[in-house]
Amino acid sequence: QTAVTQEPSFSVSPGGTVTLTCGLTSASVSSSNYPAWYQQTPGQAPRTLIHSTNTRSSGVPDRFSGSILGNRAALTITGAQADDDSVYYCVLYLGSGISLFGGGTRLTVL
Amino acid sequence: QVQLVESGGGLVKPGGSLRLSCAASGFKFNDYYMSWIRQAPGRELEWISYISSSGEIIYYADSVKGRFSISRDNTKNSLFLQMSSLRVEDTALYYCTRRGAVTGPLNWFDPWGQGTLVTVSS
Repeated sequence: QTAVTQEPSFSVSPGGTVTLTCGLTSASVSSSNYPAWYQQTPGQAPRTLIHSTNTRSSGVPDRFSGSILGNRAALTITGAQADDDSVYYCVLYLGSGISLFGGGTRLTVL
Repeated sequence: QVQLVESGGGLVKPGGSLRLSCAASGFKFNDYYMSWIRQAPGRELEWISYISSSGEIIYYADSVKGRFSISRDNTKNSLFLQMSSLRVEDTALYYCTRRGAVTGPLNWFDPWGQGTLVTVSS
């Protein structure tokens, strides 16, 4: 059974840079999986940050960037701010109409 | 502005049924694929179903295949999820989402509604 893997937690200092990653248990992640990243704060619906590997959604600050690093998708936050303290979900398209979310990364900014 | 408003959630016994609705506004509904995504309390997001703009193409996650049925009424700008044979593990907040663009990757979900809570418990 294929699963999408993410780091359970990460911490970053305000102003620092952090890279969250997203992998597949059964294969390498590529642009054909159209990696997308969503940010969710408690009690709120998710917000789209990145789609199609590295395309920022409308209104998303350019401190958020997406890429492929090795065999994983990556979300890099440069110059982290206090309100980046959230859970970040990666979702990969596996083909045949199937999308699969990762377990999320709890990012703490302190 | 683009808006998605879910309704129909509630408390249901295991084995029961429930129908969720999503009212869409602010965009040309019949141009877009739509999806349902759920989130169990304290858990991760789970994509469960897509429906194409015409309703002809439908996909389900294995966890709901055979029990849930997605549909849409383009004349009423509405999306539906008929859930049957409900299990305790179906307890979740159910989000209605739109494909981010008319064309584009299917895992681009934007925007999202605020969700409707389904609780399956005896």
